[in-house]
Amino acid sequence: SQQGEEDPQALSIQEGENATMNCSYKTSINNLQWYRQNSGRGLVHLILIRSNEREKHSGRLRVTLDTSKKSSSLLITASRAADTASYFCATYPGAGSYQLTFGKGTKLSVIP
Amino acid sequence: SQTIHQWPATLVQPVGSPLSLECTVEGTSNPNLYWYRQAAGRGLQLLFYSVGIGQISSEVPQNLSASRPQDRQFILSSKKLLLSDSGFYLCAWSATGLLGEKLFFGSGTQLSVL
Repeated sequence: SQQGEEDPQALSIQEGENATMNCSYKTSINNLQWYRQNSGRGLVHLILIRSNEREKHSGRLRVTLDTSKKSSSLLITASRAADTASYFCATYPGAGSYQLTFGKGTKLSVIP
Repeated sequence: SQTIHQWPATLVQPVGSPLSLECTVEGTSNPNLYWYRQAAGRGLQLLFYSVGIGQISSEVPQNLSASRPQDRQFILSSKKLLLSDSGFYLCAWSATGLLGEKLFFGSGTQLSVL
């Protein structure tokens, strides 16, 4: 079953603008991760945020986590055409589980 | 550095034919290994995971099986493919002993069953 649900399903912006994607989930988590997938390729890990963290940065990426609302957001600042890809959130429940549960993704198009 | 190899990149197979997809990891020992399937426009569905040689856990009942004959080799198989087996198959690994940490994915196999 899918835990994370990304919103919006698709997003189109101009180069240089910021892109914000949201992820909502239903049950408690140990951590939440964001991945990027270029068309027809494997996923690449972007950032991991733990349940006791509220915000994390990596280069042009900023991730926030609100466990009370069971939601996370991924912000890409000063977007580039090369950022065009699908972005997935994945939740990890902890408690010895091996499974990361992925959402359906947000397809981001950055127009040059 | 660690690398993951997955092949073939694309595969077209008739219904009822067998399947073998292979994945190997280099540069790490005793990784956790995973097979995921991604349907068009959907998220990833975990099919199998393995924490060691010969140890396979299945997440969903299906027409597929997995094997881990060597520490860094993971194979996805089917004796008779169904149309519903079409999809994008991804192999992934994570570091041993670190549950729920980041996954490293292969480049995927696009399987079309006709």
